[in-house]
Amino acid sequence: EIVMTQSPATLSVSPGERVTLSCRASQSVSISLAWYQQKPGQAPRLLIYGASTRATDIPARFSGSGSGTDFTLTISSLQSEDFAVYYCQQYYDWPMYTFGQGAKLEIK
Amino acid sequence: QVQLQQSGPGLVKPSQTLSLTCTVSGGSISSGSYYWSWIRQPAGKRLEWIGRIYPSGSTNYNPSLKSRVTISADTSKNQLLLEVNSVTAADTAVYYCAREFRTIFEWGQGTQVTVSS
Repeated sequence: EIVMTQSPATLSVSPGERVTLSCRASQSVSISLAWYQQKPGQAPRLLIYGASTRATDIPARFSGSGSGTDFTLTISSLQSEDFAVYYCQQYYDWPMYTFGQGAKLEIK
Repeated sequence: QVQLQQSGPGLVKPSQTLSLTCTVSGGSISSGSYYWSWIRQPAGKRLEWIGRIYPSGSTNYNPSLKSRVTISADTSKNQLLLEVNSVTAADTAVYYCAREFRTIFEWGQGTQVTVSS
C-alpha cells in the first residue's frame, strides 16, 4: 500500500498570505495525485488532479505541482473561505486509492 | 448534474451488519465512463477507500476490508448499496458514496454511522 504523508498537520495563517502544503508518497506515484478541500460537516471537494490540473470552477489561486514522490498545493492569497482541511490522494496504485492524513489551515 | 443522496441507519450494534444506500440522480450507474465508490472517514482520521462497483457490476475492494464488505447495485432504482458485516467500534465513521474515475468528482452528503450497543 502506498502511504501518503502530509505536512504540516496544522498551519496557522492570516488571510492574504501565501500557503504551501506538502504531500509525500512512500513510492513514486508519477502525477497520479489529487487534492481535496473539506470544510466541517461537508464532503470533500476536488481541487486538483493530475498533480497540477485545476478541477472545474476551482479559483486560479489554487495551484498544484510535483511528480514522483513530492507534491505541493499552493494557495496564492488565502481567502476566508479557504480555511479548511486539505487532503492529498494517490490513484497511481489503482484500483486502490490512499489518502494523506490531512492538513488543517486555521486562522492566525 | 450528478447528485448522490445517501440513506441508512446511523446506529448499528456490534457484530451486526451495516447497510447504506446511495441513490444517484442525473446519471446512470450502469452506463458511462465513471465508477462508483464507497469511502469512509473515522473521526479525526484519514479517508479510507472501501471499494467500488463498475457499470458492468464488477467490484474491487480494499484488501483490509474485503472479507466483510459487499458493494452492489440496484439498477432499476439507480442505487448503490454497501454492506459491512460483523461490525465493531472500529467501523464507526462517516461513510460517503462517490462518483469517480481515478479522482473523485462527486460525493454524497455523508452518513455518520456509530457502532454501539
